[in-house]
Amino acid sequence: AQTVTQSQPEMSVQEAETVTLSCTYDTSENNYYLFWYKQPPSRQMILVIRQEAYKQQNATENRFSVNFQKAAKSFSLKISDSQLGDTAMYFCAFMRGVQKLVFGQGTRLTINP
Amino acid sequence: DTGVSQNPRHKITKRGQNVTFRCDPISEHNRLYWYRQTLGQGPEFLTYFQNEAQLEKSRLLSDRFSAERPKGSFSTLEIQRTEQGDSAMYLCASSSNGGGGQLSYEQYFGPGTRLTVT
Repeated sequence: AQTVTQSQPEMSVQEAETVTLSCTYDTSENNYYLFWYKQPPSRQMILVIRQEAYKQQNATENRFSVNFQKAAKSFSLKISDSQLGDTAMYFCAFMRGVQKLVFGQGTRLTINP
Repeated sequence: DTGVSQNPRHKITKRGQNVTFRCDPISEHNRLYWYRQTLGQGPEFLTYFQNEAQLEKSRLLSDRFSAERPKGSFSTLEIQRTEQGDSAMYLCASSSNGGGGQLSYEQYFGPGTRLTVT
């Protein structure tokens, strides 16, 4: 069974700083997808960024980018120029095919003014 | 496209009562997923439909839980004889079969139904 581990329960940075959230996963599959989801307080889950395992190039979405290390089974999220609206729970998730998402425990990120 | 909707948003019930939640996926999304999220944790998979067929159920889905998607559109999740341990946020997500600019594996989440069992 696949597992996803986020080793940082909480992180806090100042506005405009760069922050990196860690995620590792365990799988014997070769083809899969990885995601970072954001869940703001009392609001719904929003997809931040996705990575297909067969792509070597790291995904980027505006201020968000990932460092995907397939051999190391590592998938970290970097947020540049952090904003107050980035304050949220961030979940790393794994998916094989079009099946279920397997989520990590989450990292609570606080951006301070 | 109004996104995934879930009703009710909040439900408070007494232990032993039955509850039913509804999920309306994004129009024409053929896959629908249910997850459960307890406070401070990541969501855990419960079950998954492709059209009206229930293709996978987690072992978390005890015999007190049942889910249906009768016409391949909306879905219901029923919990019978609720227990305090059922208190959680129940999330629904849907994904398309591709086309129209949407990737076939992205799951879009609804706002959830928060269940409190007293």
